[in-house]
Amino acid sequence: DIQMTQSPSTLSASVGDRVTITCRASQSISNWLAWYQLKPGKAPKILIYKASFLETGVPSRFSGSGSGTEFTLTIDNLQPDDLGTYFCQQFYKYPGNFGPGTTVEI
Amino acid sequence: DVQLSESGGGLVQPGGSLRLSCATSGFTFKTSAMSWVRRAPGKGLEWVSATSGASSRTYYAESVKGRFTIFRDNSQNVLYLQMSNLRADDSAMYYCARERNYGDFDYWGQGTLVTVSS
Repeated sequence: DIQMTQSPSTLSASVGDRVTITCRASQSISNWLAWYQLKPGKAPKILIYKASFLETGVPSRFSGSGSGTEFTLTIDNLQPDDLGTYFCQQFYKYPGNFGPGTTVEI
Repeated sequence: DVQLSESGGGLVQPGGSLRLSCATSGFTFKTSAMSWVRRAPGKGLEWVSATSGASSRTYYAESVKGRFTIFRDNSQNVLYLQMSNLRADDSAMYYCARERNYGDFDYWGQGTLVTVSS
């Protein structure tokens, strides 16, 4: 099984900050990685697919990078609406499993 | 507009059963692979089960194999998860999601809460 880890588990930031979340895979997954945002009471939302492709309708302040085993989700100009928990998911090997999540507090 | 709406969650005793439903609209359900993903309180996301579109092949996480059954009604655009012999560690918010060809999930419902407790 491919193990996914994320860091940090929680981060506190201010409006306007640049925030970076790291996701690591236990083996190379090429660029088969997605990022999701979870907010209480709302449907999870895909932000990034194939490591760096911005999903349609997602604000451009979100960006993803990386390949192989290390990946990054960056949020530029953090907004109050960005609070929530962010998960990475590998889909190199089926079924795609998720990282443990990073909670962003504003 | 794409919509997925889960229902059927609730409080159930250990060893009991529940059937979750996910009503969908706005996309071609019959050819879409669909999954159930759950999140236990304070935990991360866990993929639970999936069914392919046209062939309706099914897949299960080891933690639910033999206890959960995923099935779909393509005439009504509804996905189901029949859960039996429920345990406390099955307590979670259950989400249905559409799976793209790559294996990521582009559409999700808001979830239905399952609590297994005596």
